[in-house]
Amino acid sequence: ILNVEQSPQSLHVQEGDSTNFTCSFPSSNFYALHWYRWETAKSPEALFVMTLNGDEKKKGRISATLNTKEGYSYLYIKGSQPEDSATYLCAHQPNSNSGYALNFGKGTSLLVTP
Amino acid sequence: ETGVTQTPRHLVMGMTNKKSLKCEQHLGHNAMYWYKQSAKKPLELMFVYSLEERVENNSVPSRFSPECPNSSHLFLHLHTLQPEDSALYLCASSRGMGQTNYNEQFFGPGTRLTVL
Repeated sequence: ILNVEQSPQSLHVQEGDSTNFTCSFPSSNFYALHWYRWETAKSPEALFVMTLNGDEKKKGRISATLNTKEGYSYLYIKGSQPEDSATYLCAHQPNSNSGYALNFGKGTSLLVTP
Repeated sequence: ETGVTQTPRHLVMGMTNKKSLKCEQHLGHNAMYWYKQSAKKPLELMFVYSLEERVENNSVPSRFSPECPNSSHLFLHLHTLQPEDSALYLCASSRGMGQTNYNEQFFGPGTRLTVL
């Protein structure tokens, strides 16, 4: 995998459903994996920065896991609420010699309806 | 609020106009970035400044001209743009590399640019 790929592109769930989406990234040349949450008309907001294989991070009902050997990360939302509706971006950060680059995926757009 | 502000939030300009986008960060960061987001595409890095020096320029056409007068302010000067330059332009800042923050970036809300 040369680019950052996110799936699905969009997702529509009912309030209370749990959901998850995937970010795939180059497993070589890995330094960190970032997740951002981006609500319409607002600024993208950092959720997690993950660096070690097997990392698990949690913030409220949102959690993420990281597998650097196979190059993927999952984001889970438990008991989705309408306020979770947003686009979720992941960004691969190559090793530090690459400088400042974060390579973003296209995002997964989540809509949670009551 | 992320501590990064951008003005204007919306801009409509003709192809012969000259305009500027402004970004300001209140976080004491050392690095600032311009990104472009076009429809159906990922965020594309345009420029990076670290301590007011440009450190990356990702093959951006010369009709986009960045300026970083100090570590808190970043401008993007626009002239003779094309309709395909219509996009959302996002500014971000970070503490910078060499520190244990893994370059976490803080974004502004963006400027929605339409070129007629």
